[in-house]
Amino acid sequence: QQQVKQSPQSLIVQKGGISIINCAYENTAFDYFPWYQQFPGKGPALLIAIRPDVSEKKEGRFTISFNKSAKQFSLHIMDSQPGDSATYFCAASIIRGYQKVTFGIGTKLQVIP
Amino acid sequence: DAGVIQSPRHEVTEMGQEVTLRCKPISGHNSLFWYRQTMMRGLELLIYFNNNVPIDDSGMPEDRFSAKMPNASFSTLKIQPSEPRDSAVYFCASSPGDRETEKLFFGSGTQLSVL
Repeated sequence: QQQVKQSPQSLIVQKGGISIINCAYENTAFDYFPWYQQFPGKGPALLIAIRPDVSEKKEGRFTISFNKSAKQFSLHIMDSQPGDSATYFCAASIIRGYQKVTFGIGTKLQVIP
Repeated sequence: DAGVIQSPRHEVTEMGQEVTLRCKPISGHNSLFWYRQTMMRGLELLIYFNNNVPIDDSGMPEDRFSAKMPNASFSTLKIQPSEPRDSAVYFCASSPGDRETEKLFFGSGTQLSVL
């Protein structure tokens, strides 16, 4: 059962453009939604995360938008740069108790000059 | 801190051979996770340890897979016998546990190829 659905699986964006990656979840008990960034040959690294009590979180050029009623959240990368080229994973978990993190399938982003 | 350390980085083996992957978590982290990454299935949780005790092994594919954590600074994932469909990147991750359990720190992974 795929509890976190992520799209698109690949994305090509021009330098300076906006990259948008979408995720949808099914389990309403999820209360923590992180995004991980993975460069080739490396493990994923936490990029930004949001709790469901806010609708948006911004850190530099990266913004998470969260829609609790629709059970959807998205990552926006403003002014995309070639250095942002990586695979991005959305994820969801439950903070209390056993914190199993469920990952989306991943989006391979390529930012072209 | 050196981060999560995994070895080997690459492993090429023949079908039927035993494979052992190793992981050293970040010092002080109470939780340890083994993940498998493939193009088709993405990141799959194989097993989760908390304070060296296996808590959730529901993701372990079958009896050919086993994992141990004999102490807080070392864990192994063993595949015996290995099969070509086990080819994947295997990641170990650790987490502070009680303080910030939501943040995972991943190692650089082991690229496993079973011929």
